Amino acid sequence: ETGVTQTPRHLVMGMTNKKSLKCEQHLGHNAMYWYKQSAKKPLELMFVYNFKEQTENNSVPSRFSPECPNSSHLFLHLHTLQPEDSALYLCASSQSTATSLNEQFFGPGTRLTVL
Amino acid sequence: AQSVTQLDSQVPVFEEAPVELRCNYSSSVSVYLFWYVQYPNQGLQLLLKYLSGSTLVKGINGFEAEFNKSQTSFHLRKPSVHISDTAEYFCAVSDLASGTYKYIFGTGTRLKVLA
Repeated sequence: ETGVTQTPRHLVMGMTNKKSLKCEQHLGHNAMYWYKQSAKKPLELMFVYNFKEQTENNSVPSRFSPECPNSSHLFLHLHTLQPEDSALYLCASSQSTATSLNEQFFGPGTRLTVL
Repeated sequence: AQSVTQLDSQVPVFEEAPVELRCNYSSSVSVYLFWYVQYPNQGLQLLLKYLSGSTLVKGINGFEAEFNKSQTSFHLRKPSVHISDTAEYFCAVSDLASGTYKYIFGTGTRLKVLA
């Protein structure tokens, strides 16, 4: 595997379910990001981790719970979601948040549908 | 706060014709500028970036963009498009004041190349 991978690619869940999204980067990076991509809206930065520490939480509802066990893996735990949470969830990584040159590399995304 | 405007939500163009996708950003402080492309069912792929230096930036797949500080613009151009260029294109900005890892994205422009 190369680059940034995400699983599953598609997920359908009910509002009472609990599920997790997984992201893995094979680039030796230290920063990882979750974005939400909804139709007709700009990509929204949700969470940022740098060296496994959360450095950014953009007022994301608590029904989204991120976890970063190491610099290569990032999870997004989902519970009691709402239909408006249906979107494409993108993971990205970069060298670190501290460097001035901070090109982000994106995964293919998980298409989430909440029924 | 920084914002990015992509005025054209959709741009249809015939194959082998030139195209320009417009991007304007709000703040003229030190910025880094990016164009990403998203093909159907895929994540974002970096086309090109402006960090400093020459205002004309060349990227992959024959695309180029010009940084215009006075007009706070970073328009993307290609002299002759192919069917395979059909995709969604996102402009993104980061700045030193907010943290270069915080990308602010536009809403995207859907380029449709017609045969």
